[in-house]
Amino acid sequence: AQKVTQAQTEISVVEKEDVTLDCVYETRDTTYYLFWYKQPPSGELVFLIRRNSFDEQNEISGRYSWNFQKSTSSFNFTITASQVVDSAVYFCALSDNYGQNFVFGPGTRLSVLP
Amino acid sequence: EAQVTQNPRYLITVTGKKLTVTCSQNMNHEYMSWYRQDPGLGLRQIYYSMNVEATDKGDVPEGYKVSRKEKRNFPLILESPSPNQTSLYFCASSLRRPLKDEQYFGPGTRLTVT
Repeated sequence: AQKVTQAQTEISVVEKEDVTLDCVYETRDTTYYLFWYKQPPSGELVFLIRRNSFDEQNEISGRYSWNFQKSTSSFNFTITASQVVDSAVYFCALSDNYGQNFVFGPGTRLSVLP
Repeated sequence: EAQVTQNPRYLITVTGKKLTVTCSQNMNHEYMSWYRQDPGLGLRQIYYSMNVEATDKGDVPEGYKVSRKEKRNFPLILESPSPNQTSLYFCASSLRRPLKDEQYFGPGTRLTVT
């Protein structure tokens, strides 16, 4: 069975600090997909990134970066120079190769204090 | 504007009174899905649909029904709601399987069953 663990329930940082959100996954599939979503206080879910299991190249998008390590089954998310607007709940998710079943982690609530 | 809409946004009901939460997308997406979000559990998939007349169970389908008679609509039906179905519900859609295509989420429906 697939499983996603986000061990950090809540994180608080001061603005401009860097912060890393951890995501560890379990799957028996050799082909799978990993995602990060952001849920700001307004409640909507915002897609951030999708990565397939064959692409271990790290990705950077502005202040966001993702570190995918198959050897440790982790897909961690780093926000550099955090801002108050980054305050949200962040979900890591895992999908099988067919893209039919999604499994979300429990989420990490990030609070960025001014 | 491309969007996924859900109605109602908020609903308080009593145990056993049948209800339907509607979901509609205007992007001609093939894939649609329902999730429930509960504190500490993240989002859990209830049902998904790969296309018209093609639905399948997710992780937590008990107590729910869905139908996909038209491509744009994917209603979630609770035949006999119970208090443990109190939750925040999200509908989502993507052009095809949500692997190559981003999954768009609706604004959420907060359901309380007393």
